[in-house]
Amino acid sequence: DTAVSQTPKYLVTQMGNDKSIKCEQNLGHDTMYWYKQDSKKFLKIMFSYNNKELIINETVPNRFSPKSPDKAHLNLHINSLELGDSAVYFCASSQASQGAEAFFGQGTRLTVV
Amino acid sequence: AQSVSQHNHHVILSEAASLELGCNYSYGGTVNLFWYVQYPGQHLQLLLKYFSGDPLVKGIKGFEAEFIKSKFSFNLRKPSVQWSDTAEYFCAVKRETNAGKSTFGDGTTLTVKP
Repeated sequence: DTAVSQTPKYLVTQMGNDKSIKCEQNLGHDTMYWYKQDSKKFLKIMFSYNNKELIINETVPNRFSPKSPDKAHLNLHINSLELGDSAVYFCASSQASQGAEAFFGQGTRLTVV
Repeated sequence: AQSVSQHNHHVILSEAASLELGCNYSYGGTVNLFWYVQYPGQHLQLLLKYFSGDPLVKGIKGFEAEFIKSKFSFNLRKPSVQWSDTAEYFCAVKRETNAGKSTFGDGTTLTVKP
């Protein structure tokens, strides 16, 4: 069973479109995250939700809107896609408690053309 | 602002060579420290972590890391690397009071030549 699953794995779309990436975790964790990994492999946090509440919102354009319908799901919706949005997006989950590591999904490779 | 620095951006070794990857962080409070590995085309996986206790921690696949509090460092080591260790390695720091957020270093690409 996949612990953190993201769909789709690949997403190719045109500039200006709106797209969503879904994430689900079956680990019972209370915290979920979205990370963006650029072409240089740099990994930056975008959002973090704890028990469905937004707790971290890094400097991300407001075209990006996370939604957490329940604590096992954290979806990412992106409006008006731009070329610079092309990256690999990783969902992750963890317990917020001390020492808890993050478990990552397989990633979604988004290509905006 | 907290930062995590990985000094080596790209390391190239031959099989059986010893490995040490540097990681320093700038936060002075209580932290949890992690090393993650990302094999080509895959997601990040935990190699090892330091939470408390013995500052020398052992992880999977023969990796170990040592937390030196006075140096704000958590360097990753392996005595003898294998070709299959070729991957991207990320150091991450999780602050005690930062709602579970982990800050990642910029990563080190390790290439092991057979």
